[in-house]
Amino acid sequence: DTGVSQDPRHKITKRGQNVTFRCDPISEHNRLYWYRQTLGQGPEFLTYFQNEAQLEKSRLLSDRFSAERPKGSFSTLEIQRTEQGDSAMYLCASSLEGGTHLDEQYFGPGTRLTVT
Amino acid sequence: AQSVAQPEDQVNVAEGNPLTVKCTYSVSGNPYLFWYVQYPNRGLQFLLKYITGDNLVKGSYGFEAEFNKSQTSFHLKKPSALVSDSALYFCAVRDMGTGRRALTFGSGTRLQVQP
Repeated sequence: DTGVSQDPRHKITKRGQNVTFRCDPISEHNRLYWYRQTLGQGPEFLTYFQNEAQLEKSRLLSDRFSAERPKGSFSTLEIQRTEQGDSAMYLCASSLEGGTHLDEQYFGPGTRLTVT
Repeated sequence: AQSVAQPEDQVNVAEGNPLTVKCTYSVSGNPYLFWYVQYPNRGLQFLLKYITGDNLVKGSYGFEAEFNKSQTSFHLKKPSALVSDSALYFCAVRDMGTGRRALTFGSGTRLQVQP
């Protein structure tokens, strides 16, 4: 079990540029989540996939944000026309649909985005 | 809307003493409740959860939490703290009344265990 992985771990970009992050969930997990965490705060939910279907989106996910999970495995989160307020840690998590580990979300190390 | 409150930004405890990290929640339906721990430069790690059944749940590293429906609380406890328990702890809730899968996290409590 290699856990949830995220790439890149750090990203520095200039305001107005587009960025894309990747998340690889635990292999048997069919549920995948994206969260955003700013300094001194808990993670805030952005969006949720079950297999390839995007089933929930937070109002935090503005039209500059888009997430995909095309084959029900890895996922990407793209931010277009980045703003300084987008600077945060972007966390990915995955979980199983049932069993004794129901609803236990396992988190990756995160991608830290800095918009200059 | 679901919400979580962690009233203490920081909890200080001496090694070997019992510790409690407080959490209260607000949901419209029944709650699923979780505790996560975040060590420096590492991702969030799952500690324990309450879904149904026994109000006292046991988790990793000797931690336990007690679900109290009347007080809408889910406090994290450990009988004897270790210096290595020093970390940032987050309480989270999922509101089963909404059918949503999103977790709502508290703002976190930093636990400092002094040797």
